[in-house]
Amino acid sequence: EDKVVQSPLSLVVHEGDTVTLNCSYEVTNFRSLLWYKQEKKAPTFLFMLTSSGIEKKSGRLSSILDKKELFSILNITATQTGDSAVYLCAVTGGDDMRNKVIFGPGTSLSVIP
Amino acid sequence: SAVISQKPSRDICQRGTSLTIQCQVDSQVTMMFWYRQQPGQSLTLIATANQGSEATYESGFVIDKFPISRPNLTFSTLTVSNMSPEDSSIYLCSVRAGGTDTQYFGPGTRLTVL
Repeated sequence: EDKVVQSPLSLVVHEGDTVTLNCSYEVTNFRSLLWYKQEKKAPTFLFMLTSSGIEKKSGRLSSILDKKELFSILNITATQTGDSAVYLCAVTGGDDMRNKVIFGPGTSLSVIP
Repeated sequence: SAVISQKPSRDICQRGTSLTIQCQVDSQVTMMFWYRQQPGQSLTLIATANQGSEATYESGFVIDKFPISRPNLTFSTLTVSNMSPEDSSIYLCSVRAGGTDTQYFGPGTRLTVL
């Protein structure tokens, strides 16, 4: 069965800390892994990863994919209160042509001053 | 990226009634997706709406409960029919960026059923 597992499910850190969020997956015919940030309702896109070992970086956020071990990490350095959100990992793949997207349960990050 | 709007942004409805959610995209897209996010849960795909054909529903979702319209390449509606409190969720529409797997989401509709 296709699935995405994220850990930890919730995390509380102080401003300035560095956090690492984990995502492991099992999906038929893997195509890509996506990270989203969800603050209120709509998830906002962060990264799409398709190749192993190539780090994607945007400001204080970075992510990398390991297709051999079937996982990805999302790093946030020097966290700020504005980083408080649920971070969703999703993978695309599937046997059919609809390129199914499977979302993980999310990691709820709280950054306290 | 695409700019997506949804209406209404939130609603409180009585059991047994129906609500239609609208999704408008600022560019033409082949596929539009409807997701549900129940409280404390992740996103679950309800159906894929293709212009000019029937929507494709995921396991556990049926057309009678969640009828979808897709009259053109920039607009879709999702109706939540005969609502019960278990339908209380955030409903999100999304589109895929052309040629990639990246999906962009609308602002969502927060539905509460009493």
